[in-house]
Amino acid sequence: QKEVEQDPGPLSVPEGAIVSLNCTYSNSAFQYFMWYRQYSRKGPELLMYTYSSGNKEDGRFTAQVDKSSKYISLFIRDSQPSDSATYLCALRAYSGAGSYQLTFGKGTKLSVIP
Amino acid sequence: GAVVSQHPSWVICKSGTSVKIECRSLDFQATTMFWYRQFPKQSLMLMATSNEGSKATYEQGVEKDKFLINHASLTLSTLTVTSAHPEDSSFYICSANPGQGRTEAFFGQGTRLTVV
Repeated sequence: QKEVEQDPGPLSVPEGAIVSLNCTYSNSAFQYFMWYRQYSRKGPELLMYTYSSGNKEDGRFTAQVDKSSKYISLFIRDSQPSDSATYLCALRAYSGAGSYQLTFGKGTKLSVIP
Repeated sequence: GAVVSQHPSWVICKSGTSVKIECRSLDFQATTMFWYRQFPKQSLMLMATSNEGSKATYEQGVEKDKFLINHASLTLSTLTVTSAHPEDSSFYICSANPGQGRTEAFFGQGTRLTVV
């Protein structure tokens, strides 16, 4: 079993829809949870960052973490064509000696159709 | 957010030549930077951890003599792909985190390397 599982999609939704993106993980050492958006041929852009269970909202984006179920989600409200990108979850665990290890999901490719 | 700049954004080189990619943290100092490789439709694979003033730490399976990393200052790390071959063609991305209690990582724009 991989440490981080993410459905690669592709996921296609109409403009204005609510999008739900998810990752599951197996390592309870993960303490920090991030969502990145990556446009084609670009580096990942940090969208959301959380470190505790619960919800965190930023504009149209909501990140949800359920540590008991080892499940994280990113919700996008009122989705726009400009949201079309690959979304990667990234989980961070302390790996000792002051350093952290970042583990990525495979990414989910999202297309928002006008 | 913190800004990480990567240069060049794309490069085409002949087989057998070497290519240098630069990664700069523009508004913060980074004692540690990370280099990733990403193949089409794949996630990011960590290649190595670049440590300022000391040797880089390479992930298993990554040839340190082929992918030379130099972290000469707190704001600059370079990755040199030596004697490049077509199978080295990929998207290379660096990242850094600002430290001081912040653990989120910020990424450069990536470099598309094509070896012909």
